[in-house]
Amino acid sequence: EPEVTQTPSHQVTQMGQEVILRCVPISNHLYFYWYRQILGQKVEFLVSFYNNEISEKSEIFDDQFSVERPDGSNFTLKIRSTKLEDSAMYFCASSLQGEGRELFFGEGSRLTVL
Amino acid sequence: GENVEQHPSTLSVQEGDSAVIKCTYSDSASNYFPWYKQELGKRPQLIIDIRSNVGEKKDQRIAVTLNKTAKHFSLHITETQPEDSAVYFCAASSGGSYIPTFGRGTSLIVHP
Repeated sequence: EPEVTQTPSHQVTQMGQEVILRCVPISNHLYFYWYRQILGQKVEFLVSFYNNEISEKSEIFDDQFSVERPDGSNFTLKIRSTKLEDSAMYFCASSLQGEGRELFFGEGSRLTVL
Repeated sequence: GENVEQHPSTLSVQEGDSAVIKCTYSDSASNYFPWYKQELGKRPQLIIDIRSNVGEKKDQRIAVTLNKTAKHFSLHITETQPEDSAVYFCAASSGGSYIPTFGRGTSLIVHP
């Protein structure tokens, strides 16, 4: 069964450093998402991506964040200058369609900012 | 935007008992309500979903009910088994924004 894959599984970085989290969505899916989950808190939406552009983003997704689909298979989340409060589990997800469709999640990338 | 509240945060039951997890949502335009299960260290996976044109849906030991008037929906698991132990997330999304908004999650512990 096809799966969403994410790398790295865990990254430790110093505050102020740039981080890139990578995701390979399921190949025939059209919608891509990033969510994050701070330890013990709810899963929060960051951004969705469709047709090579951002379709929606939350208040969390400020200028420090960017997404890219550089080669038609990878979907990346970049955090330009990490802060302590960026420490979280970041989940990538994809779906075949948008409205009312199942999201397929990756296993997550745990980011620890020191 | 949508706000989803989920209760309880932790639920401990004996094997064979039933478990009920409840969620409320704020946006009356929400029309799709999925439930995801996340086992320890694994990815969230969809276990059941319901749309606003039905009030109840069942799949073997799990069922979901939806009360649109009260804006709440619930997950029911009967004859719980230890492998049901996981964190369960409810979510809601509307036609205006198809992005699911998740609840905080319920950690279900089924004791053998």
